[in-house]
Amino acid sequence: QVQLMQSGAEVKKPGASVKVSCKASGYILSNYALHWVRQAPGQRLEWVGWISAGNGNTKYSDKFQGRVSLTRDTSAGTAYMELSSLTSEDAALYYCARDPSSTLLWYFDVWGQGTMVTVSS
Amino acid sequence: DVQMTQSPSSLSASVGDTVTITCRASQDISIYLAWHQQKPGRPPTLLIHTASTLQSGVPSRFSGSGSGTDFTLTISSLQPEDVASYFCQKYNGAPAFGQGTKVEIK
Repeated sequence: QVQLMQSGAEVKKPGASVKVSCKASGYILSNYALHWVRQAPGQRLEWVGWISAGNGNTKYSDKFQGRVSLTRDTSAGTAYMELSSLTSEDAALYYCARDPSSTLLWYFDVWGQGTMVTVSS
Repeated sequence: DVQMTQSPSSLSASVGDTVTITCRASQDISIYLAWHQQKPGRPPTLLIHTASTLQSGVPSRFSGSGSGTDFTLTISSLQPEDVASYFCQKYNGAPAFGQGTKVEIK
């Protein structure tokens, strides 16, 4: 069964960084691209960026450029999203989501369960 | 940037009804449109991609149509397990999402 298992909820202070993990099971991480998407309360889903789990190439939304870093550890079958300089506007549910292709189709056929990030002083 | 607008924002229908949700793109996106379902407290799941291609395992009462700027998700014979939010996603380039449509049973 193909699944993406994400790390648990995080509470961070403004200005801090958060790192969320996403472990693939039932398939080989490096065979597919992986996206990160967030959902703030009452807001529509928002694309954060994409990583080629094969060669590690990345592309970020302009909104997050300079603040987000997507990485992966293919031996562990795990991808990571790190977001820095957190503000209250970054409080959201963060999802990893698989692209159906290694060469990018830009939609998502498997979603992780989500990781809640709370930003509070 | 391409903006995605869904309507209605919510609807209530009876079991067995046919439900239609529309999604409009601010620019031509050809058929690069997906529909996702999100049940309360659960992550989204893919229903349809390429505007009208049903994802494997999705019940045939779900169907999608449209191209260019106007798209439709139809649920024929609404079932209790279809209570969820539905959102469209364009994917010709960086993904963008509609604001979602909440479907309830009357």
